[in-house]
Amino acid sequence: AQSVAQPEDQVNVAEGNPLTVKCTYSVSGNPYLFWYVQYPNRGLQFLLKYITGDNLVKGSYGFEAEFNKSQTSFHLKKPSALVSDSALYFCVFLGGANNLFFGTGTRLTVIP
Amino acid sequence: NAGVTQTPKFQVLKTGQSMTLQCAQDMNHNSMYWYRQDPGMGLRLIYYSASEGTTDKGEVPNGYNVSRLNKREFSLRLESAAPSQTSVYFCASSVPGQGINEQYFGPGTRLTVT
Repeated sequence: AQSVAQPEDQVNVAEGNPLTVKCTYSVSGNPYLFWYVQYPNRGLQFLLKYITGDNLVKGSYGFEAEFNKSQTSFHLKKPSALVSDSALYFCVFLGGANNLFFGTGTRLTVIP
Repeated sequence: NAGVTQTPKFQVLKTGQSMTLQCAQDMNHNSMYWYRQDPGMGLRLIYYSASEGTTDKGEVPNGYNVSRLNKREFSLRLESAAPSQTSVYFCASSVPGQGINEQYFGPGTRLTVT
């Protein structure tokens, strides 16, 4: 079965340090991958997507993600974390019938 | 634009009661979706509507029905609520005919079934 996996339930990082939120995928063919963020008590917001082309994808709020086919990974990164980046992050793939399938989420806490 | 709106924000039901969750979008999107979010499980698709007049089952449709009332509105109905349906429900929409474009989410409805 196709899926995405987020191996870390929780990631803590100090403000100003680089952050990485990990995602690996098991998707047949050419995967369409997304990152969404959920701030406390709010709906989800789109951050970025990989469809094809350049393996480094830039998104909202200074986030980027690198698509790595050999490692089947799509890690989310940011060079310098802000306290306001604290949220729940979801790695997502596009499955059949153009529907989104979500990973279990990683809670990012940026420590002042 | 208000984007995607959902009502109510919170609801408590007793087992066996029924209710309808309302969703509306003002972005002229063709496709609309209903998800549920449970701790440790991410979001799971309940039903979707690719266009006005069509609806299809998602990953977890049992116990739910939907109605695509018009292009703007997509409602989710629980006919006989069960404690297992305690969850946070999100509605979403996406741009016309383009599944690889991002979905826009509403703020959610927190439902508790006792």
